[in-house]
Amino acid sequence: KAGVTQTPRYLIKTRGQQVTLSCSPISGHRSVSWYQQTPGQGLQFLFEYFSETQRNKGNFPGRFSGRQFSNSRSEMNVSTLELGDSALYLCASSLGIVTDTQYFGPGTRLTVL
Amino acid sequence: GENVEQHPSTLSVQEGDSAVIKCTYSDSASNYFPWYKQELGKRPQLIIDIRSNVGEKKDQRIAVTLNKTAKHFSLHITETQPEDSAVYFCAATGNTPLVFGKGTRLSVIA
Repeated sequence: KAGVTQTPRYLIKTRGQQVTLSCSPISGHRSVSWYQQTPGQGLQFLFEYFSETQRNKGNFPGRFSGRQFSNSRSEMNVSTLELGDSALYLCASSLGIVTDTQYFGPGTRLTVL
Repeated sequence: GENVEQHPSTLSVQEGDSAVIKCTYSDSASNYFPWYKQELGKRPQLIIDIRSNVGEKKDQRIAVTLNKTAKHFSLHITETQPEDSAVYFCAATGNTPLVFGKGTRLSVIA
């Protein structure tokens, strides 16, 4: 099976802009989780989608949002970008329940100037 | 909510020695504990996991132990090799999203 894919791999934006990141899960996986990875904070949970519904949400401001489509592909959006949003954004897919193994994508490296 | 503490943050070992990374968690409802390895510039990859109905699990040179009473679990790597150099993350979950430790940078010196 093909692994989790993410597009784009790299993005450079300026403050105030918005950005949309995409994640395609492993075929048959219905859950997609998003994480922000920074050197100081490690992997922080953003949100999780299951069958097109947001099942859990982390402690991030409302500028961070996401959605999931009927084919399980997911997007996350960050509006009004700030310098502190520069990070590696990782998505992970799993079969469905929270204790299922999560498989990560390669990530999108976002740089905000 | 769940909180996962991971120690040490950096670890250097000589090739062939063993490495041990320890994590503690706070939520007694947690029952799934995966470990991920992330090489520089690559995605985190699952290397081993353990569920709360077992106390130890081994896979070749890697083992994980779980002490539910003390709420801690550890990763043991024996006969370390240069390709084991990476950042290792522990994580825990039960009914909540996966919570990660802040990572351990392991350097294996040849």
